[in-house]
Amino acid sequence: DAGITQSPRHKVTETGTPVTLRCHQTENHRYMYWYRQDPGHGLRLIHYSYGVKDTDKGEVSDGYSVSRSKTEDFLLTLESATSSQTSVYFCAIRLAGGRFSYNEQFFGPGTRLTVL
Amino acid sequence: AQSVSQHNHHVILSEAASLELGCNYSYGGTVNLFWYVQYPGQHLQLLLKYFSGDPLVKGIKGFEAEFIKSKFSFNLRKPSVQWSDTAEYFCAVNAREGSARQLTFGSGTQLTVLP
Repeated sequence: DAGITQSPRHKVTETGTPVTLRCHQTENHRYMYWYRQDPGHGLRLIHYSYGVKDTDKGEVSDGYSVSRSKTEDFLLTLESATSSQTSVYFCAIRLAGGRFSYNEQFFGPGTRLTVL
Repeated sequence: AQSVSQHNHHVILSEAASLELGCNYSYGGTVNLFWYVQYPGQHLQLLLKYFSGDPLVKGIKGFEAEFIKSKFSFNLRKPSVQWSDTAEYFCAVNAREGSARQLTFGSGTQLTVLP
């Protein structure tokens, strides 16, 4: 499982409230990612990080922010949750580096977020 | 920008039937290709990957995929499916040039295997 945990695993919140999801890894991987999974859309990249304090936007970044102050933690914040952000959120790490890197990603268990 | 198409949204098979799931990508350069599986209620797990070399790659649980560069395809196959293969399957591509950090996923194919 590449030592990835996500918290909380389930959350129900109300529209307009801020929400922070946490991804924690234990293997010192440089690259970390946040995706959301919705029926018919597969997984879509929200934000990613390529080092401490180094982040970049993905395909669906509007309404989300991220922070990475330590290698092991990558936080995803919904600044003001909306019903359209009801989804399952997956964190991933990328095995990187070296000539034979496959750039494959390994995923955490997911967080199911419901915004009422 | 790269994109991935999985044309089969839901496939229903009986046990022992053969499986082929289609995956086409659009990107003109060199790519890494992946198939992931998601069993009900679980996270994505890597089934197999293509980096270079032999275009026929074998993964876990008897799955294989063939990379056909001229067709921009990476179809997943299994000669004889089992009930336990019921899951959602995602194809993904990673461009190896430029910002080679992002995976782009297809929309997924739900496979239901009837006992």
